[in-house]
Amino acid sequence: EAQVTQNPRYLITVTGKKLTVTCSQNMNHEYMSWYRQDPGLGLRQIYYSMNVEVTDKGDVPEGYKVSRKEKRNFPLILESPSPNQTSLYFCASSLVAAANTGELFFGEGSRLTVL
Amino acid sequence: AQSVTQLDSHVSVSEGTPVLLRCNYSSSYSPSLFWYVQHPNKGLQLLLKYTSAATLVKGINGFEAEFKKSETSFHLTKPSAHMSDAAEYFCVVSVHTGSARQLTFGSGTQLTVLP
Repeated sequence: EAQVTQNPRYLITVTGKKLTVTCSQNMNHEYMSWYRQDPGLGLRQIYYSMNVEVTDKGDVPEGYKVSRKEKRNFPLILESPSPNQTSLYFCASSLVAAANTGELFFGEGSRLTVL
Repeated sequence: AQSVTQLDSHVSVSEGTPVLLRCNYSSSYSPSLFWYVQHPNKGLQLLLKYTSAATLVKGINGFEAEFKKSETSFHLTKPSAHMSDAAEYFCVVSVHTGSARQLTFGSGTQLTVLP
């Protein structure tokens, strides 16, 4: 089954404790992206990757890191989480060949609380 | 740069009556436009997309949307609401600018369907 898998789905942590949210897709998609969803703000892009070893900042990259060492994986790293990073996070992927017309496939989300 | 405005944060309709969710956009490039639906505790799912072909686009579950360039609008409609349509809906603009794909999400419209 084609899917985007995120882990963990729920996490409560404390300020400053490094954490990683993993994202894996099994559709051989080149494009992967991370979003955060906050009430009334829709989804805002954190980072995206057009292919392996190619990453770029989205609209709200501060406080986050990503890596793309393999095509299927795109982990989101919070080196020193702060309470304003409490949010619902989504990973998504699509084919680059579809340029801007391709459907984004979303994971089910990771709800992060930073105390 | 592009932007998306969803004109209503909440829409409430009775079951069996028409649904109208409004979306206006702006873009310096020729955009592709999408509507996604998010059911509670789930990721986003594609409803339909416009990619410069027919201006009236049909999607899943009886939804459709019309691209009106002169009005820069892409409103989502359904003739008869069903209880299962209750969800949050996002309008998305996608632009491919050479080496990058930029997606901008609207802030979402929460649809309530009353029995």
